Amino acid sequence: DTGVSQDPRHKITKRGQNVTFRCDPISEHNRLYWYRQTLGQGPEFLTYFQNEAQLEKSRLLSDRFSAERPKGSFSTLEIQRTEQGDSAMYLCASSSKGQGIGNEQFFGPGTRLTVL
Amino acid sequence: GESVGLHLPTLSVQEGDNSIINCAYSNSASDYFIWYKQESGKGPQFIIDIRSNMDKRQGQRVTVLLNKTVKHLSLQIAATQPGDSAVYFCAENISGYSTLTFGKGTMLLVSP
Repeated sequence: DTGVSQDPRHKITKRGQNVTFRCDPISEHNRLYWYRQTLGQGPEFLTYFQNEAQLEKSRLLSDRFSAERPKGSFSTLEIQRTEQGDSAMYLCASSSKGQGIGNEQFFGPGTRLTVL
Repeated sequence: GESVGLHLPTLSVQEGDNSIINCAYSNSASDYFIWYKQESGKGPQFIIDIRSNMDKRQGQRVTVLLNKTVKHLSLQIAATQPGDSAVYFCAENISGYSTLTFGKGTMLLVSP
């Protein structure tokens, strides 16, 4: 399978703990995105990388959230001091400039976070 | 804003019927649109896209229609199958910007 992969698929943690998620994009894609989705809602944009550069961050991305893409390939999203309101599905997507007719983003299966 | 919560708009059809799912987008500057299908516990799956210089685009069993005058997008699924049951989202984008803005989803239920 050469699609976007995410690890872990599920994470249960206690409030106050730190968690880290990993995303491996489609190999030739230079753009990588993180989104958050809560039950019954569409995904909400969190942040965007082009290669290793983090070019955009949503105001949803509080100081407790940090994302990296050190070598321009995989990315990690860390949440420090988790809160119950952080419980959601965290989705990663990737795209490649010039492919298709627009900014076609392909999503991974997501990491479902539950904060107790 | 209004919170949809768990109460997604739902479209129930019989297998073999044609389905039409509608979406109103918010930004008149948006010039690129995507329909995604999301099954329970999975990430959104790309279905079809369209640019604002088009008013119709066809794929395999799916057609997307765009009406820029009223900022309306629709997804038509021909000969709907039980495997089409999922939540469908439209997403809009402005060229040069990274963000996809998703609309409220519609749940499609297909009964045999």
